[in-house]
Amino acid sequence: RKEVEQDPGPFNVPEGATVAFNCTYSNSASQSFFWYRQDCRKEPKLLMSVYSSGNEDGRFTAQLNRASQYISLLIRDSKLSDSATYLCVVNATYSNYQLIWGAGTKLIIKP
Amino acid sequence: DGGITQSPKYLFRKEGQNVTLSCEQNLNHDAMYWYRQDPGQGLRLIYYSQIVNDFQKGDIAEGYSVSREKKESFPLTVTSAQKNPTAFYLCASKSGWGSYNEQFFGPGTRLTVL
Repeated sequence: RKEVEQDPGPFNVPEGATVAFNCTYSNSASQSFFWYRQDCRKEPKLLMSVYSSGNEDGRFTAQLNRASQYISLLIRDSKLSDSATYLCVVNATYSNYQLIWGAGTKLIIKP
Repeated sequence: DGGITQSPKYLFRKEGQNVTLSCEQNLNHDAMYWYRQDPGQGLRLIYYSQIVNDFQKGDIAEGYSVSREKKESFPLTVTSAQKNPTAFYLCASKSGWGSYNEQFFGPGTRLTVL
């Protein structure tokens, strides 16, 4: 089993819709989590940090469920510019604070 | 503006050649990282450095080498021993190596072996 797993998608979603995707992690000692966004052929950029049960930033909401070991990302009122690959990342002391990356979920917003 | 620069953006290598990818940061970050990304896969850690003159192997270090002579610079050499070097290479840095801070990335170098 991979340490961090994501549905690769693609998720094809009409503009204005709400979309959510999950990420599961295998090690319960994982301490903190990130969602990064990566546009095609570009570097990843931080979207949100998730340290406790979750947090919200505008149209984006991240939630953490430690009991079930998953993180979710919810995007409301999706825009064409939200089309990208969303990478789930786990940070843990067991990995010497290195980041463990999921393979990403591809999101395509259609007009 | 503070940030991370990588050069070149595109690099073509003949089989059997060593090539060096540049990574420079002016964020005053202690920790620096090299990742490799292949299509449809997550980032895989090649090497990382927590402090000047020290570095550690990541998950896929074979066929690669690094140096950390200055805080700002962390070049990666892809040697001829790396069997399948064609990939997208990303350099990152973080403040406080033993922290839960996020990593910041450079724009990447796309290496192709001819």
